[in-house]
Amino acid sequence: DQQVKQNSPSLSVQEGRISILNCDYTNSMFDYFLWYKKYPAEGPTFLISISSIKDKNEDGRFTVFLNKSAKHLSLHIVPSQPGDSAVYFCAAATGERAGSYQLTFGKGTKLSVIP
Amino acid sequence: DTGVSQNPRHKITKRGQNVTFRCDPISEHNRLYWYRQTLGQGPEFLTYFQNEAQLEKSRLLSDRFSAERPKGSFSTLEIQRTEQGDSAMYLCASSFIGTDSQETQYFGPGTRLLVL
Repeated sequence: DQQVKQNSPSLSVQEGRISILNCDYTNSMFDYFLWYKKYPAEGPTFLISISSIKDKNEDGRFTVFLNKSAKHLSLHIVPSQPGDSAVYFCAAATGERAGSYQLTFGKGTKLSVIP
Repeated sequence: DTGVSQNPRHKITKRGQNVTFRCDPISEHNRLYWYRQTLGQGPEFLTYFQNEAQLEKSRLLSDRFSAERPKGSFSTLEIQRTEQGDSAMYLCASSFIGTDSQETQYFGPGTRLLVL
């Protein structure tokens, strides 16, 4: 059973517009969430994270929103640029609460930013 | 470059052979993780070390897999008697605990294994 779900395998956005990538989770023990970007044949690159005690975290063009009651988070990229085209993974961790530090990943969403 | 490095980047082997991968973490990081990623999936956790101690192993890590981190620095992942189902990207990550007690894992470029 997938504990972290990214239901959109792909997303196309015009350059300069907003990209919104969504992620849902089922495990209420998750208390830390991360977004990674991955280019083909490379490892995931850390983008931004959010603790469960917050509902928003912003870093430049990237903002992550967390809705704990809905077990939903989203990554907003504004404005989108062609270099943002990649696969985006949502990941979650239980951390010290469950004595486990592994990340649980979604299957990813492929973002294409059209010039 | 002070990021996580992995060697080799690519490995092609025949079924039944043994393979070993190496990971060099970011120098001040005390935690090191191994993940496996197959096509169309996100990375899946295999095992992790805190310093030289292996503290957690996934059920994905069969008896043919062994990982070590002998001096708490670099780590090796060995797969014995490889099978075609072992073909995947093997990713290493390292981390530190930040001031907010949250942990961020930084990934290496991965080793892509193809078992023929």
